[in-house]
Amino acid sequence: AQSVAQPEDQVNVAEGNPLTVKCTYSVSGNPYLFWYVQYPNRGLQFLLKYITGDNLVKGSYGFEAEFNKSQTSFHLKKPSALVSDSALYFCAVRDGSSGGYQKVTFGTGTKLQVIP
Amino acid sequence: DSGVTQTPKHLITATGQRVTLRCSPRSGDLSVYWYQQSLDQGLQFLIQYYNGEERAKGNILERFSAQQFPDLHSELNLSSLELGDSALYFCATGSSTNTGELFFGEGSRLTVL
Repeated sequence: AQSVAQPEDQVNVAEGNPLTVKCTYSVSGNPYLFWYVQYPNRGLQFLLKYITGDNLVKGSYGFEAEFNKSQTSFHLKKPSALVSDSALYFCAVRDGSSGGYQKVTFGTGTKLQVIP
Repeated sequence: DSGVTQTPKHLITATGQRVTLRCSPRSGDLSVYWYQQSLDQGLQFLIQYYNGEERAKGNILERFSAQQFPDLHSELNLSSLELGDSALYFCATGSSTNTGELFFGEGSRLTVL
C-alpha cells in the first residue's frame, strides 16, 4: 500500500521569508510525486511533479520541491513567501512501477499561512 | 480553468434522498477519479475509472456508486443520504500516460439537511 504523510497541519511564515512544507511518502515501486495547491472553495491545482531525473524540481508560482530518496521525502519550498501563497497544499504519490491505472494517494494537506 | 467540468456546483437535499453528480473530463483524458473532501478531513479517494472500466476503489460507501460512460463523462450517485455525506465532491481527470498529473474540477458542494 502507498501512503503520504504531511506532518504539519499548518505552517506559518512571514512574508518574504523562505517556506518549507514537508511531505514523506511510502510506495513499493518508483515514486511519482506531486504537489497541488487548493485555494478556498476551489479545486486543487497542480504545482509540480517529480518523475525521474534532477532531484530539485521547479514548478508554478516560484515553488520548487526536493526529492530525497533516502529520506523518502518530497518537501515543497519557496525562497520568498507571498501573502497570496496562503492556501492548502497537498502532496500526492502514485506507484510508477505498476502500470497506468494505479490510484493517486493524497496527504491530509498542510495549511500555509503567510503573515504580512 | 482546468478544463474539467463538474455539475452541479451546489446541491442541498434532505436525508434519505439520492443525488447524481456529473463530471466532464478534459478532452482526451481517459481516467476519472472521484474524491470526497469533508471539513477537517483531507481528500478521501472514492473510485477511479479508466476508459469506462473501474480501475481502483477507495473508501467508497456501498450507498455510493459511479460509472464512466462511452463519451468518458462520469457520474457519482449518492443514495440514502446522511448528514455525514455533506462534503465537497471532486472529480479529477488525467491522461492515459502513467506520469501525468491530475486536473481537478471546481467540485460539487453537497449539503444534506
